[in-house]
Amino acid sequence: DAGVTQSPTHLIKTRGQQVTLRCSPKSGHDTVSWYQQALGQGPQFIFQYYEEEERQRGNFPDRFSGHQFPNYSSELNVNALLLGDSALYLCASSLAGFNEKLFFGSGTQLSVL
Amino acid sequence: GNSVTQMEGPVTLSEEAFLTINCTYTATGYPSLFWYVQYPGEGLQLLLKATKADDKGSNKGFEATYRKETTSFHLEKGSVQVSDSAVYFCALLSGKLIFGQGTTLQVKP
Repeated sequence: DAGVTQSPTHLIKTRGQQVTLRCSPKSGHDTVSWYQQALGQGPQFIFQYYEEEERQRGNFPDRFSGHQFPNYSSELNVNALLLGDSALYLCASSLAGFNEKLFFGSGTQLSVL
Repeated sequence: GNSVTQMEGPVTLSEEAFLTINCTYTATGYPSLFWYVQYPGEGLQLLLKATKADDKGSNKGFEATYRKETTSFHLEKGSVQVSDSAVYFCALLSGKLIFGQGTTLQVKP
């Protein structure tokens, strides 16, 4: 049983570019949450998707957007990249209504130069 | 707003030493509390949780008790091993997980 998988594992972009990160949830899970973890900090909630809609959103600008597909996989898009967007981006999956049981992927390390 | 504060690290211990990592929280109501662990190059893994006051979560020798009087959820282990070296995150659930800043534990043989 595959857990949460994220791609790519590492990514290097330059300021102003756009990036798309991908996540496949654990088998049987239908909810995907995205977190940003800056170096030396705890993860911060970006948003959560369920039934292909954004259900909750953290304190992140509109440059951060997402999508969920019918197979429950998800994408995180970041436009107009800033140096401060450099971080580890974590995807977590769960069953709707069971937000306590989150399973995390290993993350995508994004470096913005 | 809701928040979690952890003791700053790194915490460096010798093998078989006693571990305490302090965690306090600010929240309305009584949220579920968690400890997550992050090993190098890996995602977060749930270590233990407690859902109500006075509950004790435990796993792999680690324990934490939900103390509403002191709004704390300190992580303890009686005898650490080198393999426990990792970053530990305290978190609360308020519609979403809110994490502390993490505490790095280094255990030396």
